[in-house]
Amino acid sequence: EPEVTQTPSHQVTQMGQEVILRCVPISNHLYFYWYRQILGQKVEFLVSFYNNEISEKSEIFDDQFSVERPDGSNFTLKIRSTKLEDSAMYFCASSDQALGTQYFGPGTRLLVL
Amino acid sequence: GIQVEQSPPDLILQEGANSTLRCNFSDSVNNLQWFHQNPWGQLINLFYIPSGTKQNGRLSATTVATERYSLLYISSSQTTDSGVYFCAVPSSSNTGKLIFGQGTTLQVKP
Repeated sequence: EPEVTQTPSHQVTQMGQEVILRCVPISNHLYFYWYRQILGQKVEFLVSFYNNEISEKSEIFDDQFSVERPDGSNFTLKIRSTKLEDSAMYFCASSDQALGTQYFGPGTRLLVL
Repeated sequence: GIQVEQSPPDLILQEGANSTLRCNFSDSVNNLQWFHQNPWGQLINLFYIPSGTKQNGRLSATTVATERYSLLYISSSQTTDSGVYFCAVPSSSNTGKLIFGQGTTLQVKP
C-alpha cells in the first residue's frame, strides 16, 4: 500500500540553525500539507500546498517557514532560523482531493537546543 | 472557526472491554477522519467517515453530520489499542486544512 515517507525521523539542532524536513507524498496525490504537534498537545495545521502554490497557511507559518516541491516527488519544509519553541513532531500529509482522506507520514521529531 | 471537542479526555480499560469515544464539532462538515496515534507518535488513519457507519474489524465509527458528532467504537479492546485517538474535520476554507480535537488518551490494561 502506498505511503507517505519522511526524513529524517529525528533531528537535533542548535537554536538559530536552518533545518529542512523532507517528505515524499503518495505518488498520484496533488494536495500536500504540513502539520506539527508539540509534545502532549493536539496536531496543528501549518500549511497546505497545491499546484505549486501555498493555498493556506496558519499564523504559526511565519517568514521563518517555507515550503517547496523541488521535483516531482519531494515536498520540503524549511525553517530558516530555528527557535526553542519549534521543537515538535512535524507531520507531512497528502491527499488526492482537496477534501479527501489525508494520509500522514510517520513524522520528524525536531528538537531545538 | 470550527471547534472540535473530544470526550472523554482519558480512558482506562481492562483488556476485553468495549468503549465509545465521542467527537463533537461546531459547524457542518464535508468529512471527518479518525486517527490513532501509537506510542511511537505515528498517526494511523482509522476512518474517513463524512456520514453513516463504517466498520473495520473491532473498530467502527458513526458520524451523524446533522447533529454534528461522530462516535468511535472499540470492541474487545487489546493492549495494542492504547494510544491517543484524534478526530479531525476540514475547516471552512476548503483548502483541506484539518482541525484536530484534543484527543482521547486510551490505556488498555492486560
